[in-house]
Amino acid sequence: DIVMTQSPLSLPVTPGEPASISCRSSQSLLHSNGYKYLDWYLQKPGQSPQILIYLGSNRASGAPDRFSGSGSGTDFTLKISRVEAEDVGVYYCMQTLQAPITFGQGTRLEIK
Amino acid sequence: EVQLVESGGDLVQPGGSLRLSCAASGFTFSNYWMRWVRQAPGKGLEWVATVTQDGSGKYYVDSVKGRFTISRDNAKNSLYLQMNSLRAEDTALYYCARVVSSAEKYFDYWGQGTLVTVSS
Repeated sequence: DIVMTQSPLSLPVTPGEPASISCRSSQSLLHSNGYKYLDWYLQKPGQSPQILIYLGSNRASGAPDRFSGSGSGTDFTLKISRVEAEDVGVYYCMQTLQAPITFGQGTRLEIK
Repeated sequence: EVQLVESGGDLVQPGGSLRLSCAASGFTFSNYWMRWVRQAPGKGLEWVATVTQDGSGKYYVDSVKGRFTISRDNAKNSLYLQMNSLRAEDTALYYCARVVSSAEKYFDYWGQGTLVTVSS
């Protein structure tokens, strides 16, 4: 199974400041078709997860442009350019390169 | 508007069975792979099962193989998860989610979840 490791697990941020979350996979997530099968989700308090970034760096429809994703085969980063109060929640990375689909442990973003 | 509405969650004793349903609307259900994902109380997300558009392909996480069965009825726009031999560790909120495409694979829509509690 591909193991996904996120850091940090807790991220206190002052509104207006940038934030960054790292996700590392135990195997490369780069497919021969050129896709990097790494996605980012945000689960706001009391809500279902919502897609933010897909295939490593593509912002999902409806995701604010302050969110961006980048990364290579095994190291990926989610960046928030300026954190807002509504960004509070748990962020998960997920790989879909191979079964079983696996998630990172989650990073809890809180406002200072 | 795409909607996924889960139902069927309940309190069940260890060793018991339960059938979860997910009613889909707002899109052509038969065109999409579907998945179940669960979240134990206070824990992270865990993929449970996937079914292809026509139901011919089914995939499971090892911990539920032989106990859970994913299925769908495209005529009824519904997804199901038959859960047998339930264990305490199956206690979780179960989400159904739509897969955007078989090439891109991410979940673009999630339901609100249905709670399964396995306890005596």
